[in-house]
Amino acid sequence: DIVMTQSPLSLAVTPGEPASISCRSSQSLLHINEYTFLEWYLQKPGQSPQLLIYLGFNRASGVPDRFSGSGSGTDFTLRISRVEAEDVGVYYCMQALQSPLTFGGGTKVEIK
Amino acid sequence: QVQLQESGPGLVKPSETLSLTCSVSGGSISTYYWNWIRQPLGKGLEWIGYIYYSGSATYNPSLKTRVTISVDTSKNQFSLKLTSVTAADTAVYYCARRRQGGPHDAIDIWGQGTMVTVSS
Repeated sequence: DIVMTQSPLSLAVTPGEPASISCRSSQSLLHINEYTFLEWYLQKPGQSPQLLIYLGFNRASGVPDRFSGSGSGTDFTLRISRVEAEDVGVYYCMQALQSPLTFGGGTKVEIK
Repeated sequence: QVQLQESGPGLVKPSETLSLTCSVSGGSISTYYWNWIRQPLGKGLEWIGYIYYSGSATYNPSLKTRVTISVDTSKNQFSLKLTSVTAADTAVYYCARRRQGGPHDAIDIWGQGTMVTVSS
């Protein structure tokens, strides 16, 4: 299985300030078709996860442009340019290169 | 818009079989991959498996001997069966739709989740 490791475990951010979450995979997520199968999800308190980023850097429909995904190979980053109160929750990265699909352990983002 | 709704017993006895159904509304079950994902309370997400609308399923090896996912296109539903459950199977179970095989691969729609407790 591909192991996904996120850091930090938690993050407290002042509204309007940036935030960054790291995700590392135990093997490259680059497919032979040149797509990178790394996704980011946000689980807001009491809700189901929702898609933020797919194929490494593509924002899902309706996701604010303050969210961006970057990285390649085994190292990825989710950045929030200016955190807002509605961004609180647990962020998960997930690899979809191979079965079983595997998630990182999650990063909890709170507002200071 | 497409919505997913899980249904099934919220309490299952140890050693028995957990059975859940996901009803797809607002769209066809055809073309996509239909997933089951679970989350023990306060913990992270675990992918259980998915099924293509044609009936081809892929399972997490950690659960493969106990899991069956099936699809009923006539009812626009897919189902999960997990046998020989233990307390470790207590979790919120989500059904979810995955786009796959194109330039938009992702789990784009999730159900609200259903809590299943394994206890006598």
